[in-house]
Amino acid sequence: IAGITQAPTSQILAAGRRMTLRCTQDMRHNAMYWYRQDLGLGLRLIHYSNTAGTTGKGEVPDGYSVSRANTDDFPLTLASAVPSQTSVYFCASSDEFSNQPQHFGDGTRLSIL
Amino acid sequence: GESVGLHLPTLSVQEGDNSIINCAYSNSASDYFIWYKQESGKGPQFIIDIRSNMDKRQGQRVTVLLNKTVKHLSLQIAATQPGDSAVYFCATTDGGTSYGKLTFGQGTILTVHP
Repeated sequence: IAGITQAPTSQILAAGRRMTLRCTQDMRHNAMYWYRQDLGLGLRLIHYSNTAGTTGKGEVPDGYSVSRANTDDFPLTLASAVPSQTSVYFCASSDEFSNQPQHFGDGTRLSIL
Repeated sequence: GESVGLHLPTLSVQEGDNSIINCAYSNSASDYFIWYKQESGKGPQFIIDIRSNMDKRQGQRVTVLLNKTVKHLSLQIAATQPGDSAVYFCATTDGGTSYGKLTFGQGTILTVHP
């Protein structure tokens, strides 16, 4: 089934550790996005990539980095995790970086202790 | 900055009734609007979208209405079913620096009682 695959589905991590959340899409979409979802705050954009090889900052980029080496993969890295990064993380993609629907994965639930 | 909000955080309806979920936005430059449904443990699922050159768009059992004068968006679900129970989010972008970037509202919890 075509779509977005995120891994892991959940993780408990000690503060200060490095963590990479994986995201792969098989729709050959040019644009990809990372969001975090916190209760009462909705989804907030962390980073995005409008095409392979380029990335940009969203609303809440601090403490996170991304790379886009190819069309299909868009990993999100927490270099040194802090408790405030406890959240549910969603990866999304769209055909182009424009005003059109984004398609979401089922998320990674991350707890930082 | 742009904000997107919802009038009601929760909505309870009886099966078969029509549901209306509302959303207010603050940026008059917003030109693209989208509704998502999110079930527990899942990612947001696209329902319907509308662009600022329209004021109504219909899908299967859903209708989105856009009132740019008062910056208001609504999602109407006809003959609501228990499977419609979920959190519904509106989101918007504008043609300026946030082009292509969605700003989400906080969500409305819809509960459908059999």
